[in-house]
Amino acid sequence: SSELTQDPAVSVALGQTVRITCQGDSLRSYYASWYQQKPGQAPVLVIYGKNNRPSGIPDRFSGSSSGNTASLTITGAQAEDEADYYCNSRDSSGTGVFGGGTKLTVL
Amino acid sequence: QVQLQQWGAGLLKPSETLSLTCAVYGGSFSGYYWSWIRQPPGKGLEWIGEINHSGSTNYNPSLKSRVTISVDTSKNQFSLKLSSVTAADTAVYYCARGREQQLVPPYYYYMDVWGKGTTVTVSS
Repeated sequence: SSELTQDPAVSVALGQTVRITCQGDSLRSYYASWYQQKPGQAPVLVIYGKNNRPSGIPDRFSGSSSGNTASLTITGAQAEDEADYYCNSRDSSGTGVFGGGTKLTVL
Repeated sequence: QVQLQQWGAGLLKPSETLSLTCAVYGGSFSGYYWSWIRQPPGKGLEWIGEINHSGSTNYNPSLKSRVTISVDTSKNQFSLKLSSVTAADTAVYYCARGREQQLVPPYYYYMDVWGKGTTVTVSS
């Protein structure tokens, strides 16, 4: 399958920990990359590879993977983390593929 | 710091060809996948395709018959053409720099630099 499946919406209380998941067969071959997108803005890479953060991404963002499931964890969520989050990898034919996105609400 | 600057026509009529260009500033052009992604209004991201510096392309099968991505290494630019557009092609189009590691599985693939996006509307 070339699909990546994400929960459409997740909420978290301010300062608490939240996990956003992404499922797909391609994740057995590729680590997921994760992108944060705020309204009206381009996506921003927040996690790539096993658990790598680009420069400038807070260390409260972390990634993990097991089998066909990848997870993005935000430890101590802040109001500014409210955004849409997308996972991404390649499928078995090498085509890039995105998950449907998860809307994170910080309460 | 690498930056991507994109431009192109923002309003098209059905059956016309969408044409966008993305210029790469401040970094090497080789060793990366130069990608196009789009996002219809209120919807998620869709990967359109990519090209490397030597001109090898890879397209989303759902768009392959209408998509051409090309590169001009002399200008550090790459371009997207999408033919026979319809209202369903209305979206924000992004260019991005892709990186990949395929030495040891699990592999890495990610897009670390993005353009600001170009809104393309298809309407008669």
